[in-house]
Amino acid sequence: EAQVTQNPRYLITVTGKKLTVTCSQNMNHEYMSWYRQDPGLGLRQIYYSMNVEVTDKGDVPEGYKVSRKEKRNFPLILESPSPNQTSLYFCASSSAPWQPQHFGDGTRLSIL
Amino acid sequence: TQLLEQSPQFLSIQEGENLTVYCNSSSVFSSLQWYRQEPGEGPVLLVTVVTGGEVKKLKRLTFQFGDARKDSSLHITAAQPGDTGLYLCAGREDTGNQFYFGTGTSLTVIP
Repeated sequence: EAQVTQNPRYLITVTGKKLTVTCSQNMNHEYMSWYRQDPGLGLRQIYYSMNVEVTDKGDVPEGYKVSRKEKRNFPLILESPSPNQTSLYFCASSSAPWQPQHFGDGTRLSIL
Repeated sequence: TQLLEQSPQFLSIQEGENLTVYCNSSSVFSSLQWYRQEPGEGPVLLVTVVTGGEVKKLKRLTFQFGDARKDSSLHITAAQPGDTGLYLCAGREDTGNQFYFGTGTSLTVIP
């Protein structure tokens, strides 16, 4: 089954404690993205990757890091999380930037 | 400000009514997509419009892409409770590889 898998689904943590949200896709997609979703703001792109070892900043990259060492995986790293990063996060993939995005089920992060 | 602005932000209507959701930008998009998102899930693609002036129909949903490829609309005829959800427009500008989502329209259809 074609899917995007992200983990964990829920995480409550404290300010400053490094965390990683994993994302994996099995569709051999080249384009992968991370978004955060906040009420009234829709989804905002954090980082995107056109292919292995190629990553670019989206609209709201501050406080986040990503890596793309393999085509299927695109982890999101928060080195020093802060409360303003409390949000619902989605990973997505597609064959190209203009093609439909396939989304994971989301990760709800709470930073206390 | 967001690159893609949707209106209205919230919409609550009775079953059987018609509605239109708008998605506007000052930028030109190579294509626009419409997604629907239900609580606890990721957005799911409804349709992609590519050509300026294009109209696509999906059962009771009609999607239109503006002639200048800067705006789009979603019209729902005879809304049903199953249409309830968050509707999002999204797309990539003519130049660049960043993908943008609209601000979203939360639709509630009351039985």
